[in-house]
Amino acid sequence: RKEVEQDPGPFNVPEGATVAFNCTYSNSASQSFFWYRQDCRKEPKLLMSVYSSGNEDGRFTAQLNRASQYISLLIRDSKLSDSATYLCVVNNDMRFGAGTRLTVKP
Amino acid sequence: DAGITQSPRYKITETGRQVTLMCHQTWSHSYMFWYRQDLGHGLRLIYYSAAADITDKGEVPDGYVVSRSKTENFPLTLESATRSQTSVYFCASSERGEAKNIQYFGAGTRLSVL
Repeated sequence: RKEVEQDPGPFNVPEGATVAFNCTYSNSASQSFFWYRQDCRKEPKLLMSVYSSGNEDGRFTAQLNRASQYISLLIRDSKLSDSATYLCVVNNDMRFGAGTRLTVKP
Repeated sequence: DAGITQSPRYKITETGRQVTLMCHQTWSHSYMFWYRQDLGHGLRLIYYSAAADITDKGEVPDGYVVSRSKTENFPLTLESATRSQTSVYFCASSERGEAKNIQYFGAGTRLSVL
């Protein structure tokens, strides 16, 4: 089993849709988690951190479920500009998931 | 505000040649990282460095050598390039190595080994 696994995708959704991605991790001692966004042929950039109590940033909501060892990212009211690959990372081990590709269509 | 820069952006080389990829950051971040990104594998850590003259292996270090004589530079050398090292290489830095620290990435180097 990979240490960090993501929904394989791709996700193709219409504008305005709500979409959610999950990312599971195997190291129960992991302490910090992030979601990064990567546009085609570009470097990853931080989207948001994931806090234990869950956190929201505009249309984006991140949650952590320690018992089941997964984090999630929810995007509401999807925009065309949200099209990208979303990477989860478990920072203790500097392990990135393989990424979930999202395409938002008009 | 240059941030973190990688050079070259594109490189084509032949099997068996030595190649060095450069990474330079202007933030004085303590930690620097090298990743490779391949389809289906996401980002995999090659080496990282906690400070000048301190380096450590990541998930896939074989075939690579790093050095960090100055805080701002973290070159990655492929001593004898192989086709399996064809990949996109990203350098990153973070202020500290604490688990909560965010990494900032360079624009990447696309390496093709023929």
